[in-house]
Amino acid sequence: QQQVKQSPQSLIVQKGGISIINCAYENTAFDYFPWYQQFPGKGPALLIAIRPDVSEKKEGRFTISFNKSAKQFSLHIMDSQPGDSATYFCAASGQGAQKLVFGQGTRLTINP
Amino acid sequence: KAGVTQTPRYLIKTRGQQVTLSCSPISGHRSVSWYQQTPGQGLQFLFEYFSETQRNKGNFPGRFSGRQFSNSRSEMNVSTLELGDSALYLCASGRLAGSNEQFFGPGTRLTVL
Repeated sequence: QQQVKQSPQSLIVQKGGISIINCAYENTAFDYFPWYQQFPGKGPALLIAIRPDVSEKKEGRFTISFNKSAKQFSLHIMDSQPGDSATYFCAASGQGAQKLVFGQGTRLTINP
Repeated sequence: KAGVTQTPRYLIKTRGQQVTLSCSPISGHRSVSWYQQTPGQGLQFLFEYFSETQRNKGNFPGRFSGRQFSNSRSEMNVSTLELGDSALYLCASGRLAGSNEQFFGPGTRLTVL
């Protein structure tokens, strides 16, 4: 029940296209859903996060869509750029809990 | 504002040895969590500290331990190293106890030979 399942494992998108990464969770106690971006040799960087009281959150080219009934959330990267090539992790945590449960990661490659 | 700092950045040890890793959170942050990152298991939670107290612990053997000091800096220790302990160890800081929003450091790359 603690798992967060992420797909796809890898994704190749053309420059200017839309990158979409999906995650599903089981634990209904989760109430915070962040996305992290990690470049080789670096720690994960917080990209954007959402709570279940909204269905969508947008920050620049990055959008999280959240479907509470399906227990799914996704990251959309609009106008994808080569600089977006990185590994992306979804995660989830419960109220008042710092422990993050991570998905397995998606290696995103943006072809120029 | 400086980010999370971790030292050392790279470490090579042999089986059976012990190792201590250090983490300084973002200034003003009082909560520190540790994670292990490996290609096979991904990112896994080790433990969380706030005000020098461990608030939560992941599913790791007792060889993994940690502590937090009064200035919020934290250390983690791994005793009797095994080959499988080779990983990137990440520290994350949060402003308060149970802070959902966490910021990661660059990690310490531990290689066990």
